[in-house]
Amino acid sequence: AQKITQTQPGMFVQEKEAVTLDCTYDTSDQSYGLFWYKQPSSGEMIFLIYQGSYDEQNATEGRYSLNFQKARKSANLVISASQLGDSAMYFCAMREGRNTGNQFYFGTGTSLTVIP
Amino acid sequence: GAGVSQSPRYKVAKRGQDVALRCDPISGHVSLFWYQQALGQGPEFLTYFQNEAQLDKSGLPSDRFFAERPEGSVSTLKIQRTQQEDSAVYLCASSLRSGVNTGELFFGEGSRLTVL
Repeated sequence: AQKITQTQPGMFVQEKEAVTLDCTYDTSDQSYGLFWYKQPSSGEMIFLIYQGSYDEQNATEGRYSLNFQKARKSANLVISASQLGDSAMYFCAMREGRNTGNQFYFGTGTSLTVIP
Repeated sequence: GAGVSQSPRYKVAKRGQDVALRCDPISGHVSLFWYQQALGQGPEFLTYFQNEAQLDKSGLPSDRFFAERPEGSVSTLKIQRTQQEDSAVYLCASSLRSGVNTGELFFGEGSRLTVL
């Protein structure tokens, strides 16, 4: 089974609107971390936001928030007030707690295009 | 420098040639990962180091791939007898500590390998 599933290959959003990028995960660990990364066309991976499995509050970082629904094993990224510079690939990732925490899995990504 | 540095940024190799890709992680970072990212895909785990110890090499696709981090800082990913299917971007990432709740991975800009 896939550890991280991103079902939206591509998404479009109007500038200044909000958009939700979906992510579901699969783990039997109790302790794990969920991450979102942005990869612009230049190629670098930019960390956006982190949610720990024991965190009770949804993580927020500026215009980014993570809608964490533990029972559903989903960790959707919400970007508010989209900007043209948000156009990029977005990857959901998970780090499991077993062993030394060296397993860090990525999804296949969602390509977001912000329309002026 | 302050970030993860990878070299070369671009490498073109003839099929059958050996290549070596270098990663210089952030100073003091314990964990170092190598990922392979094919065009349009998410990063796929190759191998993981905790200091100089290679704790997980389960993602290396064949015995032509070899990685080392002899002094616990700089790492080299070597690919012997390159094949066309090895063409990808090779990403290196580091984090300060090991374990699941230790924050994000910091990525280099990647080394794009093209095998002709």
